[in-house]
Amino acid sequence: SAVISQKPSRDICQRGTSLTIQCQVDSQVTMMFWYRQQPGQSLTLIATANQGSEATYESGFVIDKFPISRPNLTFSTLTVSNMSPEDSSIYLCSVEGDRGPYGYTFGSGTRLTVV
Amino acid sequence: DAKTTQPNSMESNEEEPVHLPCNHSTISGTDYIHWYRQLPSQGPEYVIHGLTSNVNNRMASLAIAEDRKSSTLILHRATLRDAAVYYCILRVLNNDMRFGAGTRLTVKP
Repeated sequence: SAVISQKPSRDICQRGTSLTIQCQVDSQVTMMFWYRQQPGQSLTLIATANQGSEATYESGFVIDKFPISRPNLTFSTLTVSNMSPEDSSIYLCSVEGDRGPYGYTFGSGTRLTVV
Repeated sequence: DAKTTQPNSMESNEEEPVHLPCNHSTISGTDYIHWYRQLPSQGPEYVIHGLTSNVNNRMASLAIAEDRKSSTLILHRATLRDAAVYYCILRVLNNDMRFGAGTRLTVKP
């Protein structure tokens, strides 16, 4: 299955600043997905990123707060902008694995703490 | 989206079978049943999926009710490394993956 490298693995940031999270995949994939996992909670889909088009955001998530780039078929970034303590979460990227549409592969996540 | 209902938590003894239930009474004919698990401090990992028939792989078995309104993930011999949150997810082909609350499985030695 696809191997995902996600950076940074963790960070502690000051409120009001921004953090860009990188997701690198070892194979070309059409769709990449970004999730948020708040402390003790399940995963919530933030947006879907297709190469060459604007990301599609889920209800409750906006581009100004979570801008996403998808410059090629192996790479994507998610920026968490103007951070507040409520943004403290684990952020994960995901792609469809080599099981095609039947299986997703997830990165190990970025643990973000906003102080 | 069709929703799933799972118990919040379950316990098992090591080396015993574990049956993790999932109810999905509003499942549609095109929904695949997926199971993922999330080990501590890791991203979710694929376990198994099925549509109508029971499925087996090296990790687990998936038993799907005849009316497809429920399913059961079966771990044949639980180990301490199987302690995780298990998510039952319904997904239409080519659609995104949406997670419910999951079942936290504790395995006792």
